[in-house]
Amino acid sequence: TQLLEQSPQFLSIQEGENLTVYCNSSSVFSSLQWYRQEPGEGPVLLVTVVTGGEVKKLKRLTFQFGDARKDSSLHITAAQTGDTGLYLCAGTQGGSEKLVFGKGTKLTVNP
Amino acid sequence: ETGVTQTPRHLVMGMTNKKSLKCEQHLGHNAMYWYKQSAKKPLELMFVYNFKEQTENNSVPSRFSPECPNSSHLFLHLHTLQPEDSALYLCASSQGLTGAGYEQYFGPGTRLTVT
Repeated sequence: TQLLEQSPQFLSIQEGENLTVYCNSSSVFSSLQWYRQEPGEGPVLLVTVVTGGEVKKLKRLTFQFGDARKDSSLHITAAQTGDTGLYLCAGTQGGSEKLVFGKGTKLTVNP
Repeated sequence: ETGVTQTPRHLVMGMTNKKSLKCEQHLGHNAMYWYKQSAKKPLELMFVYNFKEQTENNSVPSRFSPECPNSSHLFLHLHTLQPEDSALYLCASSQGLTGAGYEQYFGPGTRLTVT
């Protein structure tokens, strides 16, 4: 059983479109992080959310943490080809040293 | 960004070889991690070191042997690996342990192929 479920698994869109990807769990997380990983590279941290209901914006990216701290979403406005990559969510629970990852959403933005 | 570096970037080894992966962080962090990333699986934590002491071994087979001589360097020694060990091995570091709220920063990874 996967602790963090990400959907969709794959997403292919045209440049300029908007999109939302999801990270869901039946468990409560102390914090959730979003990473973007490009082929052949390690994940790069985009944002950390820690408070239920929190919304953070990073240019065209909007991140939301669910009120119950069990889920999160990433919304991209007017996608660009440079947004292409694997988007990973990861979370920590109750003081555990482990960062638990989802399988990721592979996003392709076509010109 | 060269905060966390890993060498080599690519490695092909036979099942009877012995090799080592190296990770170095230039961020002044105290905690370092090894992860395995396989196709169709989420990133799996392997080992955690804090101030050079191992704090987590996530049931990793003994053919993987970590070494942390100081807070800036982390090694993963490999011997008698299996083809299913082929994966991207990622190193990460953080100022303190993740459970205390510190964020992890990843290196570019070593792509390992076991033949």
